[in-house]
Amino acid sequence: DTEVTQTPKHLVMGMTNKKSLKCEQHMGHRAMYWYKQKAKKPPELMFVYSYEKLSINESVPSRFSPECPNSSLLNLHLHALQPEDSALYLCASSQDTHRASRGYTFGSGTRLTVV
Amino acid sequence: LAKTTQPISMDSYEGQEVNITCSHNNIATNDYITWYQQFPSQGPRFIIQGYKTKVTNEVASLFIPADRKSSTLSLPRVSLSDTAVYYCLVGEGAGNTDKLIFGTGTRLQVFP
Repeated sequence: DTEVTQTPKHLVMGMTNKKSLKCEQHMGHRAMYWYKQKAKKPPELMFVYSYEKLSINESVPSRFSPECPNSSLLNLHLHALQPEDSALYLCASSQDTHRASRGYTFGSGTRLTVV
Repeated sequence: LAKTTQPISMDSYEGQEVNITCSHNNIATNDYITWYQQFPSQGPRFIIQGYKTKVTNEVASLFIPADRKSSTLSLPRVSLSDTAVYYCLVGEGAGNTDKLIFGTGTRLQVFP
């Protein structure tokens, strides 16, 4: 299995809702990432998990809460989002976070719309 | 910080060779250079990675000069399906923690 699977593919949520995005990989990768991408912009890094521990939080608002239950799964819990949080949320994984270890595998993303 | 600079957009025609250059003046000694391709509403896809000189795979070539301050992605004989955004990435981070930061990318449009 050489894929990163993200669910759901599309999500519409109200500003008072709580929802979760899920990401799964079975490549034995020990680093997983969340990126946010707005239309016609590059992906922006949000969080980095290394060996199931949060290693980087790029000053993301607390309404986004990441979780890494095990080495294959990564969740992003959403609560009280704003319309400007509408974007494509991308999950990626890599063998590890060592500088010489490149080659991220990205999922197809979850298209999130906040109404 | 190893920022990257790429042309915002490029146009080409089917069958032509396309060369996209990326500038990364502050690349660190241990950093690799990686290129990704992204189609609309999809995640970026790894194309090629290199450290120095030349790397070639089944879809592209990557040329890196000795000073490593720039790199060029070469796409031979492009087709309409190569229309996408191409990102050049150089790793940055403190210690052993790595975070790849995407630059603005180059939007390639291939015409028939």
